[in-house]
Amino acid sequence: EIVLTQSPDFQSVTPTEKVTITCRASQSIGSNLHWYQQKPDQSPKLLIKYASQSIPWVPSRFSGSGSGTDFTLTIDSLEAEDAATYYCHQSSSLPRTFGQGTKLEIK
Amino acid sequence: QVQLQQSGPGLVKPSETLSLICTVSGGPLTSTYWNWIRQPAGKGLEWIGRISASGINDYNPSLKSRVTMSVDTVKNQFSLKMKSVIAADTAVYFCAKGGYSGYESWGQGILVTVSS
Repeated sequence: EIVLTQSPDFQSVTPTEKVTITCRASQSIGSNLHWYQQKPDQSPKLLIKYASQSIPWVPSRFSGSGSGTDFTLTIDSLEAEDAATYYCHQSSSLPRTFGQGTKLEIK
Repeated sequence: QVQLQQSGPGLVKPSETLSLICTVSGGPLTSTYWNWIRQPAGKGLEWIGRISASGINDYNPSLKSRVTMSVDTVKNQFSLKMKSVIAADTAVYFCAKGGYSGYESWGQGILVTVSS
């Protein structure tokens, strides 16, 4: 089973700040890494697919990069509505796995 | 974009079987995988397994002995059954559409509590 480790677990940030969340895989997964945003009491929402491919309805301030074992989700100019927990997820092999999540708090 | 609507009981007794249904609207149950994922309160996401429209299953080894998934292409539904539930199975259960490119559509989630 591929283990995904995110860092940090928690981050408190101010609006307009740039945020970077990392996800490290226990073995190479190519670009088969996706990012989700989950707000309290809501279902997760797909933000980025295949490490860096944007999703049409997602604001352009969200971007992703990386391949192999190291990946990054970047939020440029954070907005208050971005307060949420972010998860990475791999589709390289079964069973599918998720990172433990990174909670973003807006100051 | 398809929509997923979940249904099923919110309370299941220990040792009994959890049963959930996910109804798909806005598109047929073809050409991708249909997944079940769960999330205990305050914790992360755990993939339970998936089924294709042709009925091919893949389950998480940690749950494989207790899980059965099925699909009904006439009703445009897929379902999850988990037998012999225990308190640790208490979680919000989600259904989701997607295969290799991530999960683009999710159900609303159902809290299933295992308690007598």
